[in-house]
Amino acid sequence: DQQVKQNSPSLSVQEGRISILNCDYTNSMFDYFLWYKKYPAEGPTFLISISSIKDKNEDGRFTVFLNKSAKHLSLHIVPSQPGDSAVYFCAANTGNQFYFGTGTSLTVIP
Amino acid sequence: DTAVSQTPKYLVTQMGNDKSIKCEQNLGHDTMYWYKQDSKKFLKIMFSYNNKELIINETVPNRFSPKSPDKAHLNLHINSLELGDSAVYFCASSPRQGRTYGYTFGSGTRLTVV
Repeated sequence: DQQVKQNSPSLSVQEGRISILNCDYTNSMFDYFLWYKKYPAEGPTFLISISSIKDKNEDGRFTVFLNKSAKHLSLHIVPSQPGDSAVYFCAANTGNQFYFGTGTSLTVIP
Repeated sequence: DTAVSQTPKYLVTQMGNDKSIKCEQNLGHDTMYWYKQDSKKFLKIMFSYNNKELIINETVPNRFSPKSPDKAHLNLHINSLELGDSAVYFCASSPRQGRTYGYTFGSGTRLTVV
């Protein structure tokens, strides 16, 4: 019973272009969302978050958009850089527990 | 100076053995977690401790027993290991309970049961 889904296991983007990573969730009680970035052989690291009272949060090259009616979350990276190549996990929270998606592997091609 | 450190990084063991994975955080965080990432890449919470007190205990076989001797440590002991226990186990910590705090993860322990 996967409440958070990332339906694209991988994504390739040219350097300098926009990367858009998508995440869908099923539980309407989720009210806080995060994105994590993971390099091989390392643990996930926190990237950016958004509360359900907002529909957009921006931090430098990273912007997260939330569409509550569609239960959809997306992460935009502009411009994409080779160092952004990693696996990106979205996570959603209700209460004390986060539910993670299965990740999208982003490759930024120089 | 690693914030959340797990040992060992790799663990290969035979079915039926008992093993432990250690986790330590030097961030002064109150809350620690164990997550399991299986072969399908699902990252699922197993346990959460807040100030040495068990907060979350998901549906995990009772062969898995967490132990928190102090709030900087959360160890995971696994009895009678099975093939299906093969996975990557991540320890994490957060400043306190609550959803607004992102987690700091360790680098993971890849457990392979043969």
